[in-house]
Formats: sequence, C-alpha cells, structure tokens
Amino acid sequence: DTAVSQTPKYLVTQMGNDKSIKCEQNLGHDTMYWYKQDSKKFLKIMFSYNNKELIINETVPNRFSPKSPDKAHLNLHINSLELGDSAVYFCASSSTGQGDHEQFFGPGTRLTVL
Amino acid sequence: SQKIEQNSEALNIQEGKTATLTCNYTNYSPAYLQWYRQDPGRGPVFLLLIRENEKEKRKERLKVTFDTTLKQSLFHITASQPADSATYLCALDWVVWAGAGSYQLTFGKGTKLSVIP
Repeated sequence: DTAVSQTPKYLVTQMGNDKSIKCEQNLGHDTMYWYKQDSKKFLKIMFSYNNKELIINETVPNRFSPKSPDKAHLNLHINSLELGDSAVYFCASSSTGQGDHEQFFGPGTRLTVL
Repeated sequence: SQKIEQNSEALNIQEGKTATLTCNYTNYSPAYLQWYRQDPGRGPVFLLLIRENEKEKRKERLKVTFDTTLKQSLFHITASQPADSATYLCALDWVVWAGAGSYQLTFGKGTKLSVIP
C-alpha cells in the first residue's frame, strides 16, 4: 500500500516548457505539502494546503502553482521551466491537531531542465 | 531569521558504537522538533517527534533529547549497525495556523552517517 505517491518519478524537459507533478495520499490526512530538495540536499518547504486551502506559500516564483482538487491530491504545475528548477520535488502529508503530526513523504520527482 | 545547523555534514562510526548527531538552532522557539531519516533516492522517513516540555524520547535504539535553553537537540543511535547508514535530518516544527492545527517544518541540511562494519 503506497501512502504518498507521486508521478512521474523522473521528468526531463527543455527550458521554457510547462510541466506538472501529481501527488496523492491515501492516509486520510488533511494537510499536504510540496518541498524542493536542491543539489546540496537542502530540503525546503514550498507550499502547504489544509483541506484544499493554501496555508503556506513560501517565497517561490509565481511560475509555480499548486492545485488541490480534493484533500487527497496536491498537484504542482510549473510554467516556463528554468535551469535552476532542476531538483527533486517531494510531496508530503500529515494529520492536523496537537497530536503526532509527523509528515509522510512521497518518493520524490527528479526534475531535470535542459 | 531562524537558523538551524546540524553539527557535521558527515559522521563515520564503528559498528556497535553509539552515534550522536547534534542539531542547534537560533532565533526560534519551536514547540516541537522532529528527526527524519533519508536514504539515497528516497523521501525522508519520520523517526521521532519531541515536544518542548519533554527532555527525552526513546524508540528502540533511538533516543532524542531536547534542550530549549541551549536550543539544541541530540539524536543518539545505540549499538549502531551498517543498516543505520543514511542521512539524518533535524526539523524545527512550529504552528502555522492554530485554527487548522497546521504545522510547518524547517529542515537542517542533514548529517550523513556511515556505520563501518
């Protein structure tokens, strides 16, 4: 049983193209996230959605647009791709409340922009 | 701005010994702190969460301490095994929106642990 899944696992594309990464979780969590891990392995939050509502929107170019059609899905659309967008993108989910709210991560999508 | 540092990028240790990883932070008072493990080509996996009012937390061979005065967390793996070799990430954990119970993690750069047989 895959808890958090992402597609595709690898994405190679040319500069200037538009691409999307899909994420789905079957854990019944209310909150979903997108992270970017750069070549130096630094993992940084990009967005967070709670019940389809945007909660966290860190300083990322507006070429990046998250979309949450329902609680179980959070997709990431990237317009006009640039070389610097090359990284591994992770989706994650967690429950809410003061109880244990650890995050469950997907396997990652390695994006290479040529 | 908040800053989080993990003591070293890489740590080599002999099998059977205790590995100790350090996480220091500044300009911040997190309500929680989390530790994750990341293997090459995979997403981080949650290990332990410790609250600000807890001094120590244990899970099998893992132990985490949290000193809010020193602004430091220590992560210990006792009786280390080659299978423990991975990158370990420390993350500050804070409430973004209390009404929704939403939290945000700010990760350190990680420490790559190698356990030598």
